[in-house]
Amino acid sequence: QKEVEQDPGPLSVPEGAIVSLNCTYSNSAFQYFMWYRQYSRKGPELLMYTYSSGNKEDGRFTAQVDKSSKYISLFIRDSQPSDSATYLCAMSAGNQFYFGTGTSLTVIP
Amino acid sequence: GAVVSQHPSWVICKSGTSVKIECRSLDFQATTMFWYRQFPKQSLMLMATSNEGSKATYEQGVEKDKFLINHASLTLSTLTVTSAHPEDSSFYICSARDYPAGKQYEQYFGPGTRLTVT
Repeated sequence: QKEVEQDPGPLSVPEGAIVSLNCTYSNSAFQYFMWYRQYSRKGPELLMYTYSSGNKEDGRFTAQVDKSSKYISLFIRDSQPSDSATYLCAMSAGNQFYFGTGTSLTVIP
Repeated sequence: GAVVSQHPSWVICKSGTSVKIECRSLDFQATTMFWYRQFPKQSLMLMATSNEGSKATYEQGVEKDKFLINHASLTLSTLTVTSAHPEDSSFYICSARDYPAGKQYEQYFGPGTRLTVT
């Protein structure tokens, strides 16, 4: 079983839609949960992070962590064409980072 | 925010030659650097983890004699692909963090290097 599971998509939505991206994990030792955004042929950039369970909101983005279910989500409200990218979830324990496979998102104008 | 640079951004080399990729942390001390490989439309594949002043730890299946990693200073790590072959053509991305001094969620990525072996 992989440490982190993420549906690779691809996901295609119309502009203005609400997007839900999800990951599940198996290691209960993870404490930090991150979402990265990667544009084509670029390095990933940190979008949001959450410590332990709970929600965190940043503009149109909301990250949720449910440690009891080992499930994390990223919601994008009012999606824009500029949100088209690959979104990777990641989790850390100590000096180890574990990444999901990434979900490719296309927002159609 | 912290900045990580990579050089070159794109390199073409002939089969059998070696190519070196540099990864630099510009405004923080990178005690740990990671090297990833990424094929088109696929996720990051961790190749190795290097701690400053120590030998790199390679992931299973990654040939340490083929992918030489040096992390001689707190701001620079290099990946040398030796005797390159066309199947080594890929997108190589480095990342860096200041562990354990930095925050647990922090890992900063370089912009990547596209390697094409002809």
